Amino acid sequence: SYDLTQPLSVSVALGQTASITCSENNIGGKDVHWYQQKPGQAPVLVIYRNSNRPSGIPERFSGSNSGNTATLTISRAQAGDEADYYCQVWDSTTGLFGGGSKLTVL
Amino acid sequence: QITLRESGPTLVTPTQTLTLTCTFSGFSLSTSGVGVGWIRQPPGKALEWLALIYWDDDRRYSPSLKSRLNITKDTSKNRVVLTMTNVDPVDTGTYYCAHSIAAPGGNWFDPWGQGTLVTVSS
Repeated sequence: SYDLTQPLSVSVALGQTASITCSENNIGGKDVHWYQQKPGQAPVLVIYRNSNRPSGIPERFSGSNSGNTATLTISRAQAGDEADYYCQVWDSTTGLFGGGSKLTVL
Repeated sequence: QITLRESGPTLVTPTQTLTLTCTFSGFSLSTSGVGVGWIRQPPGKALEWLALIYWDDDRRYSPSLKSRLNITKDTSKNRVVLTMTNVDPVDTGTYYCAHSIAAPGGNWFDPWGQGTLVTVSS
């Protein structure tokens, strides 16, 4: 079975680039989706199928997936990007989320 | 515009059955490729996928909870119902439903409902 590993916390200076990873053996063979969740709110899809942005998501959000690691990259980080971020895959016939990463913008 | 809203009890007694309803608009669960999923989140913890039902009534469940879950749909009323039997305090959390599309590489969830907080306690 799959176990998606994310760092518990990631820090980034205002205006700099943050990278949040999601690791599992051969995750590059699957499609990875990313969600942003701010306190008290429902999750919002920010990247689907590894690198695609839904309508309304800023171009500052990008994704990649290769080998054993998928990465969500947030360029020119803003205070409003502070949130929890979750990766998600479809493992055979069931959904699976990573443990989540808390992004802090310094 | 797609919207979803969860409803159900806020407090459930241990060993009882929890019934949650997802009422949606902006799409039809009779359209090929469409699904509705349920995801939960214990307080301060990560998201956990629970179940999903497709337009063709195909149903998928979390392996660890499969024996306790049942997901059904009422296409005419734009509703999806999730039942969880024999609840325990560890089932306390916010329960979300979300729209999903069947994709070759696997589904994603977009958008989500606002969530409903369920507390399991005697």
